[in-house]
Order: sequence, then structure tokens, then C-alpha cells
Amino acid sequence: DSGVTQTPKHLITATGQRVTLRCSPRSGDLSVYWYQQSLDQGLQFLIQYYNGEERAKGNILERFSAQQFPDLHSELNLSSLELGDSALYFCASSERGWGNQPQHFGDGTRLSIL
Amino acid sequence: AQTVTQSQPEMSVQEAETVTLSCTYDTSESDYYLFWYKQPPSRQMILVIRQEAYKQQNATENRFSVNFQKAAKSFSLKISDSQLGDAAMYFCAYFNSGNTPLVFGKGTRLSVIA
Repeated sequence: DSGVTQTPKHLITATGQRVTLRCSPRSGDLSVYWYQQSLDQGLQFLIQYYNGEERAKGNILERFSAQQFPDLHSELNLSSLELGDSALYFCASSERGWGNQPQHFGDGTRLSIL
Repeated sequence: AQTVTQSQPEMSVQEAETVTLSCTYDTSESDYYLFWYKQPPSRQMILVIRQEAYKQQNATENRFSVNFQKAAKSFSLKISDSQLGDAAMYFCAYFNSGNTPLVFGKGTRLSVIA
């Protein structure tokens, strides 16, 4: 158990809809990262938050947004969903946002768009 | 931009034998960290081993060890005494000391044959 909790584990929805994925980092970790894993793209970094503030941005679509709350949990919002958004979405956390601390991953949320 | 290349999409090994997974990376940084993550069918991303670039000594974690060749920008993973539970996707990842996210290779699927 990595200590990172992601909910829900599975999500099935239709095109055009909006969903929210939730992540609770390990106790004491201030940094949260979101990744998308699809079959043909591998693991792609989406966005990072550190202590409530956006720290780094990767290949995140404008239809996607995220935030980190004062209690350090994070939410990834996906809107106007398309078939190509079907993927496994991982959250990871680390104590800080730099240095040699490894990122610890949650079990992921499997998003299926019908 | 940093890139990570895993040139072996699939590999197989006999149980109890040794296998080496390859990883090369491209960076102009001198201070960085390298990781191997394991993703079994359960989808979890599990940290296997990490290496700090400033350390010449190769990292070892039980049956897992790395061969880190900084000049060649190579970071291979050796699994000794392979077990059925080692069957998984293995991802090589790079992280530098600045404000950047993990960069993953596309993975190597390892099968272990009984």
C-alpha cells in the first residue's frame, strides 16, 4: 500500500460529460502529480501541485483542470469528455516537489468513455 | 527536453534465471535521478529501485540491481533469480533536481516462464 488513495477506482460515462477524480496524498506529502496512461501513449505527465499551488504543467488539455485543496487532497476535473480520454489516470505524491524523493503512486482511476 | 528510451517492448525470462532490461536517456543536466517502476496486472505503479546520478555505486535492492553508466546515459535493470511475481510492465523514469516531472519510457513487458 503506497498510502496514496484515489477514488473512484472505475468510472464509466458518456461523451460530452464531466467527471472529477480525487486523490489523497500520503501523509506528510505536499506535492501531488497527475498522470494519464493510455495504451498508445504510455504514461504522460499532466500537472503537478505543491502545497496548494500549481508547480508544473505537462500535456494537459484545456478541457482538463486540477486543484489542490488546503488539506492537500487534489481533484482532476475532466470535461467535454471524448472517446480518446479513456485511460488510466494516476495520482502520485512526494514529500516535496524536487530532489531525490520518489513519487508514490495510487492505484489509479480507470475512466471509460462510451 | 529530456527523453527516456526503452528499446525492448517485450522480454521473457525463465524462472530462476537473470534478465536485464535496457533504458537510455537524454539529458544535459548533471544532477538527476533515475527510477525503475513496476506495473503488475493489478495496475499499481510500484517503485523498484532508484539511482542518484552523483553516486557512482550502482543501486541494489535484493534481487534487483542497476547498471548505471552515466557517460553513456544508460540505466539498465537486472533481475536475478526471476520469480513468477516479477511478471509486469517495467518503466524507466528520469527526474532532475529542478522543477520537472518524472519522464517515463514506454515500458518493457516482462514475462516469466515457469
